[in-house]
Amino acid sequence: SQKIEQNSEALNIQEGKTATLTCNYTNYSPAYLQWYRQDPGRGPVFLLLIRENEKEKRKERLKVTFDTTLKQSLFHITASQPADSATYLCALGEVDMRFGAGTRLTVKP
Amino acid sequence: EAQVTQNPRYLITVTGKKLTVTCSQNMNHEYMSWYRQDPGLGLRQIYYSMNVEVTDKGDVPEGYKVSRKEKRNFPLILESPSPNQTSLYFCASQGTGWETQYFGPGTRLLVL
Repeated sequence: SQKIEQNSEALNIQEGKTATLTCNYTNYSPAYLQWYRQDPGRGPVFLLLIRENEKEKRKERLKVTFDTTLKQSLFHITASQPADSATYLCALGEVDMRFGAGTRLTVKP
Repeated sequence: EAQVTQNPRYLITVTGKKLTVTCSQNMNHEYMSWYRQDPGLGLRQIYYSMNVEVTDKGDVPEGYKVSRKEKRNFPLILESPSPNQTSLYFCASQGTGWETQYFGPGTRLLVL
């Protein structure tokens, strides 16, 4: 069956460091992979989409990589700030979308 | 402003009492979806719609119905709610370019 795993439930880092979150998947051949941010009690907010033929994508302090051989995406936040504290979700599929369980990131001042 | 709205935001009901959660988007998007989010289980798709009158089951459709009679609206219907449908529900919409999926603010449902 199709499975999406995010490396850990929680990640704590110090302000200014780079946060790296992992998304692994099995039994998928996705054309796209998306990353979302979710704050408690609120709807997910789209951050980045990366296509299968793209190795890397950047947006401001965010960087996403996509390795279809390893079936893995890495999500990096550089120069992290306490305001980056949230749960980050990866998602696969197009309209029939499936989400990972998320990684709760805490950035400490 | 691009927006997905849901109503009501909070709802307490009793087992068996039919209810409808409305969802509306103002972006002329073709694709709309309903998700539920539960602790430890993450976001799971209930139903999705690729256009007016075109709907399909997601991963957890049991106990739910949807309809898409107009492009902007995609209501979620619980004909006979049960306590295991207590959850946080999100509606979402997306254009045909497979880019940004916009989520609504959520509806917190408690079924007693």
